Amino acid sequence: AQSVTQLGSHVSVSEGALVLLRCNYSSSVPPYLFWYVQYPNQGLQLLLKYTSAATLVKGINGFEAEFKKSETSFHLTKPSAHMSDAAEYFCAVSQSRGSNYKLTFGKGTLLTVNP
Amino acid sequence: SQTIHQWPATLVQPVGSPLSLECTVEGTSNPNLYWYRQAAGRGLQLLFYSVGIGQISSEVPQNLSASRPQDRQFILSSKKLLLSDSGFYLCAWSAAFNQPQHFGDGTRLSIL
Repeated sequence: AQSVTQLGSHVSVSEGALVLLRCNYSSSVPPYLFWYVQYPNQGLQLLLKYTSAATLVKGINGFEAEFKKSETSFHLTKPSAHMSDAAEYFCAVSQSRGSNYKLTFGKGTLLTVNP
Repeated sequence: SQTIHQWPATLVQPVGSPLSLECTVEGTSNPNLYWYRQAAGRGLQLLFYSVGIGQISSEVPQNLSASRPQDRQFILSSKKLLLSDSGFYLCAWSAAFNQPQHFGDGTRLSIL
């Protein structure tokens, strides 16, 4: 079975500082990887996806993530945090089961941005 | 463009009462549909998914059920709610299983 581990349930940064949210996955086959953001009392919004093309993936709101197969990682970064980035972030991996797939989510990382 | 609607946004129900949450998708046909439950600090738990009308797959045993009476309609139900059914319920759709899932705004369910 595939799994996702998000290191750090809570990350706090200052406005303008680098944002780094960590995600490691396990997969026996090449994975599809996703990052989602969730604002309070809202659904999840797709930030970016990796689908075996370029290993550096650019997403919305200035976020990007790099797929590193040797490290089984897909960390999310943003050079300069903004107050509006405060939210919960979820990493997800697609899981193949026969001809079907489902997303397995990490437990999330709550990002706090301090002024 | 595609949109997904979930309602109601919040719901307070007594223990033992029935439940019906509805989700509809617009702007696409034959989507894959999903119901998730999100408990605080525990990520998302997939409850059901559907690849077509009347086709429902259950991921966890529970007192909830799902139905898909129309191509773009997905309903989550219960005959008798338990306290443990409290949570944030999210509906999602995708064009295919290896494509991103797109989420509705969720229903906050509180059981008293």
